[in-house]
Amino acid sequence: DQQVKQNSPSLSVQEGRISILNCDYTNSMFDYFLWYKKYPAEGPTFLISISSIKDKNEDGRFTVFLNKSAKHLSLHIVPSQPGDSAVYFCAASDAGTYKYIFGTGTRLKVLA
Amino acid sequence: ETGVTQTPRHLVMGMTNKKSLKCEQHLGHNAMYWYKQSAKKPLELMFVYSLEERVENNSVPSRFSPECPNSSHLFLHLHTLQPEDSALYLCASSRERALYNEQFFGPGTRLTVL
Repeated sequence: DQQVKQNSPSLSVQEGRISILNCDYTNSMFDYFLWYKKYPAEGPTFLISISSIKDKNEDGRFTVFLNKSAKHLSLHIVPSQPGDSAVYFCAASDAGTYKYIFGTGTRLKVLA
Repeated sequence: ETGVTQTPRHLVMGMTNKKSLKCEQHLGHNAMYWYKQSAKKPLELMFVYSLEERVENNSVPSRFSPECPNSSHLFLHLHTLQPEDSALYLCASSRERALYNEQFFGPGTRLTVL
């Protein structure tokens, strides 16, 4: 059973608009969450993270929101740019195992 | 360029072949990881090395054999693989095997088993 789920396999957004990528998790022991971005023929690259003591973390155009009660996190990209077109993976970890559990990814396409 | 390199980038092998995947990190990290990514599945952690000692083996079949000769290099030796082992194999490293330590990934080796 998947502990980290990204239910939208793909998303298309117009350039300049907001992209919202969602991720749900089931394990309440997770206390660190990350987003990775992957271009074709490259490995995932770290984008932004958030620990469970926060509900928001911002880095430039990227903001991650965490709703612990709903076991839900989201990544907001504002404004979206064509170069943001990639597959986005969310991952979760806990202090006990330090393992990353990944979602299946959401392919974002930003249309010029 | 993440500081983690993998060779080869593509590999086609028969079920009776023996081959090895190589990973090298130039980041001075102490932990290294092998992941498998199959189509439409999440990344699956295979092995974890911390300070050159294998600390995790996630029920991976013995036809996959990892080796970590030093903290910069990680190998995955492959022997008598099955077609269902065809996947993207990703290597990653982190400063420590601990929380709040982001993992840096290599570009992966695309493996096809015929």
